[in-house]
Amino acid sequence: NAGVTQTPKFQVLKTGQSMTLQCAQDMNHNSMYWYRQDPGMGLRLIYYSASEGTTDKGEVPNGYNVSRLNKREFSLRLESAAPSQTSVYFCASSENSGRYQPQHFGDGTRLSIL
Amino acid sequence: AQKITQTQPGMFVQEKEAVTLDCTYDTSDPSYGLFWYKQPSSGEMIFLIYQGSYDQQNATEGRYSLNFQKARKSANLVISASQLGDSAMYFCAMRAGTGFQKLVFGTGTRLLVSP
Repeated sequence: NAGVTQTPKFQVLKTGQSMTLQCAQDMNHNSMYWYRQDPGMGLRLIYYSASEGTTDKGEVPNGYNVSRLNKREFSLRLESAAPSQTSVYFCASSENSGRYQPQHFGDGTRLSIL
Repeated sequence: AQKITQTQPGMFVQEKEAVTLDCTYDTSDPSYGLFWYKQPSSGEMIFLIYQGSYDQQNATEGRYSLNFQKARKSANLVISASQLGDSAMYFCAMRAGTGFQKLVFGTGTRLLVSP
């Protein structure tokens, strides 16, 4: 039972490079999310997709774009990577965006920007 | 605004003993969900247990139970019969509010289980 799968698990980029983090879920969930986790800052929401075909900004959207490719897949793109984007990125999904729905997380992507 | 407070940066417990991890929350919304997550040193975030604000009984999932005291606005996680594999960071989180309810996390408690 895969749940939420993120690729890649690790990545090193140079400043200015671009890349896309991939996320796929097999739980038939409607809502998907991207977070970043930084030491002392907890998890912060970057973007979310409440349902297929919609995306919205979270707390820290600057420097990122997202695509909800279909119900299963939600990708996060860094157009021009900056050292401040060095972080651990988590994708999550939930049955819907309601307050009683737990979010299930992927294993994370550790991203370093040099 | 919603806020989660975890006042214990670190906790120690011996194997096979029970441990309580504290969590208090603040919201003016009468409807909310409370969640606990485990993050082992390998980094993944694992959903453990959930409590809805209108649930009458405390949630339980195997060795995990949630001690929900609504009047005190606390949602403490109780782990019974601790195991070495329970050593990890534990995060309390909440969803509440109007419109899109984001998941608000506490700063976490690091639990170390000793043999």
